[in-house]
Amino acid sequence: DIVMTQSPDSLAVSLGERATINCKSSQSVLYTSNNKNYLGWYQQKPGQPPKLIIYWASTRESGVPDRFSGSGSGTDFTLTISSLQAEDVAVYYCQQYYTTPYTFGPGTKLEIK
Amino acid sequence: QVQLQQSGLGLVKPSQTLSLTCAISGDNVSSNSATWNWIRQSPSRGLEWLGGTYYTSEWYNYSAVSVKSRISINVDTSKNQFSLQLNSVTPEDTAVYYCARVGASSRYFDNWGQGTLVTVSS
Repeated sequence: DIVMTQSPDSLAVSLGERATINCKSSQSVLYTSNNKNYLGWYQQKPGQPPKLIIYWASTRESGVPDRFSGSGSGTDFTLTISSLQAEDVAVYYCQQYYTTPYTFGPGTKLEIK
Repeated sequence: QVQLQQSGLGLVKPSQTLSLTCAISGDNVSSNSATWNWIRQSPSRGLEWLGGTYYTSEWYNYSAVSVKSRISINVDTSKNQFSLQLNSVTPEDTAVYYCARVGASSRYFDNWGQGTLVTVSS
């Protein structure tokens, strides 16, 4: 199985400041035939299901604010929120869909400082 | 717009069978381009993909090794829904269960059900 790890476990950022969350996979999730990274990011607020915000490592889902961006390739990935808003408080998960079993990271809890 | 609506019992006794259903609107369970999945979430195991089903001229199921001997995913095309059965449950199976769709040409989960807390307890 591909193991996903995230850092930090939790993060407190001031409103308007940048938040950065890291994700690492135990093996590459880059499919060389199409040069796509099979990596997604999800946002989960209390009492709600996870919501897809980034796919193919860097493509924003429709309706997701452009302050959210994803980067990275191979085994190392980053989710960046350029200017934190109050509504961004949530737990963020990365997930690989390169191969089954599809696996998720343990999550990073983002709070307001 | 795709919507997934879950239903099912929230309390199951140990050794019995957990059963949940996911009704689909805005898409077709027999669509050649989507797969239909079950995922659970617990404090001890985090988010865990359990398995899924899809149709391409016939139905295919695939599942995580951890539950492979206990899981069954079935489809009711007349009701446009799919279901999860997990047998021989233990307290370790206590979790919030989600159904989720993987859309066309992708493998990420782009639509989720609202979640159902299932507690395994006598």
